[in-house]
Amino acid sequence: QVHLVQSGADVKKPGSSVKVPCKASGGTTNKYAINWVRQAPGQGLEWMGGIIPFFGVAHYAHKFQDRITITADESTRTTFMELSSLRSDDTAVYYCARDLGFEEFLGYFDYWGQGVLVTVSS
Amino acid sequence: EIVMTQSPATLSVSPGERATLACRASQGISSNLAWYQQKSGQAPRLLIYGASTRATGIPARFSGSGSGTEFTLTISSLQSEDFAVYYCQQYSDWPPAYTFGQGTKLEIK
Repeated sequence: QVHLVQSGADVKKPGSSVKVPCKASGGTTNKYAINWVRQAPGQGLEWMGGIIPFFGVAHYAHKFQDRITITADESTRTTFMELSSLRSDDTAVYYCARDLGFEEFLGYFDYWGQGVLVTVSS
Repeated sequence: EIVMTQSPATLSVSPGERATLACRASQGISSNLAWYQQKSGQAPRLLIYGASTRATGIPARFSGSGSGTEFTLTISSLQSEDFAVYYCQQYSDWPPAYTFGQGTKLEIK
């Protein structure tokens, strides 16, 4: 059974950065892409980017390209999403999600973390 | 960016009846479409990919159809656990530039 475990909620000041971890366990490998999807309160889903940890190559949504970095630590099976220059409209639940594709980005996500609420407020 | 538009925003259906949800892409995406179900306070759940292939463990009452720009998710006989928000998502672009629809809330009539 695959598990993606995300840590607890966080509160950040405008202009600061947040780094959200996602730890994989169970029947998965670092050759599956891990993607990041966020959801503002009461709103829909928004894809931010993804990485195949084994290859270390990340792809980002154009909207976030200037302030997002997705990295992976293979030794701990943890993927990180760092978002900088935070604004109030970055307040959202941030999910990590595993792509169904092996060694490729297929684009649809079969396992999801439980999500972590990041609140940006002064 | 490919824009995904779902309709209706809210759909009221009685248990046991059929529900039909629509999703339209702003340009052709072949069959590169997925559907997700999201219940309040939970992460989304993959239902359908490739426009019509059910994900592992998804009941047969869920079916998807369409290609190009017009897609449909049908739930043949609604169960109480099916009332939720449903999202379509395209994954047509390379490099990846995935986009979701705004969601359809399926509520009990």
